[in-house]
Amino acid sequence: GESVGLHLPTLSVQEGDNSIINCAYSNSASDYFIWYKQESGKGPQFIIDIRSNMDKRQGQRVTVLLNKTVKHLSLQIAATQPGDSAVYFCATGPSWGKLQFGAGTQVVVTP
Amino acid sequence: NAGVTQTPKFQVLKTGQSMTLQCAQDMNHNSMYWYRQDPGMGLRLIYYSASEGTTDKGEVPNGYNVSRLNKREFSLRLESAAPSQTSVYFCASRETGSAEAFFGQGTRLTVV
Repeated sequence: GESVGLHLPTLSVQEGDNSIINCAYSNSASDYFIWYKQESGKGPQFIIDIRSNMDKRQGQRVTVLLNKTVKHLSLQIAATQPGDSAVYFCATGPSWGKLQFGAGTQVVVTP
Repeated sequence: NAGVTQTPKFQVLKTGQSMTLQCAQDMNHNSMYWYRQDPGMGLRLIYYSASEGTTDKGEVPNGYNVSRLNKREFSLRLESAAPSQTSVYFCASRETGSAEAFFGQGTRLTVV
């Protein structure tokens, strides 16, 4: 039958504050842990990735943390801006194979 | 550099009709993917191709077939469309050893 859409979890953040988006994953064999951003009406865009042998990686205004013990990934966005409003997905996979995506988090930046 | 191009952008089908969604990438990537995204949900993998001539099932392959005839193109076929296949379909490509996948703009398919 028809699938029922679920409401995405929403993170409401004030402009200028820091955002933390969380993701739980299940595949322990993944090499890559990746964050994507999807703006309305567009395809996902790569933000940052972290390899399985690392626990922290920083980019421009973003930091990704990986805790393999509890299978948890997080994305921190510093000084959140209106342009950061989007849906954020985590994805995991090997270096050459299937990429599996999480359910996503809607980030809403308020003035 | 066009990246990943999907056609068509929009399509309405009647139940039981068939159609093929086209995807082409110009980045010489080995891996290509088809995902579907339902309202308020994440992306679910339909099929995956590691290289020309190879394909593998993803999470939700039922009702779909794919073809990877060359390195550039990866098509998705619906043989007999059903309302449950109403969704937005995304094609993506990725180079082996790279984390970054590049996505097309999506095909919005409605089956009535």
